[in-house]
Amino acid sequence: EVRLVESGGGLVKPGGSLRLSCAASGVTFSNAWMSWVRQAPGEGLEWVGRIKSKNDGGTTEYAAPVKGRFTISRDDSKNTLYLQMNSLKTEDTAVYYCATYSGTYCFFGQWGQGTLVTVSS
Amino acid sequence: DIQMTQSPSSLSASVGDRVTITCRASQSISSSLNWYQQKPGKAPKVLIYAASSLQSGVPSRFSGSGSGTDFTLTISSLQPEDFATYYCQQCNSFPLTFGGGTKVEIK
Repeated sequence: EVRLVESGGGLVKPGGSLRLSCAASGVTFSNAWMSWVRQAPGEGLEWVGRIKSKNDGGTTEYAAPVKGRFTISRDDSKNTLYLQMNSLKTEDTAVYYCATYSGTYCFFGQWGQGTLVTVSS
Repeated sequence: DIQMTQSPSSLSASVGDRVTITCRASQSISSSLNWYQQKPGKAPKVLIYAASSLQSGVPSRFSGSGSGTDFTLTISSLQPEDFATYYCQQCNSFPLTFGGGTKVEIK
């Protein structure tokens, strides 16, 4: 059974930084393409970014609102995905989910339970 | 960016009803369309991928159709556990985008 567990969320002031982690089990993590998706309170889903497996180049793509501020990385030796968030804004307040991303059919297959990030002074 | 528009934004239905949700893309996305179900306080779950392929483990009362710009998610006979919010998502091009969601409530 695939299990994704996010951690690292919390309260941070505008302009601050936070790093989220997503620990994966039950999946060959090194072969997995991964994504982050967020959901502001009471709102819909918003894609944040994606990282390919290292075998497929390890490249990243980002949504415009986070490009240049957020960085997705992975440590395959630890089966862990990261989201480094810098220059945080109040509009980044959301539950952040990590998810596996099918490179073949481009859907988010398995999701974590999410971690809440609150950006407020 | 490709805009995804879902309709209706909410609907009320009874157990046993046939329910149809539509999703329209602002430009052609071929069959690069997925559907998700989300219950309150839970992560989304994929139901349909590539417009019409049923994800493993998803009940057969869920079906998807469409291509190009117009897509449909159908629940053939609504069950109590189906009351949730449904989202479409395109993966034809970056940025990946979601529809605004359709909340299915109990009548």
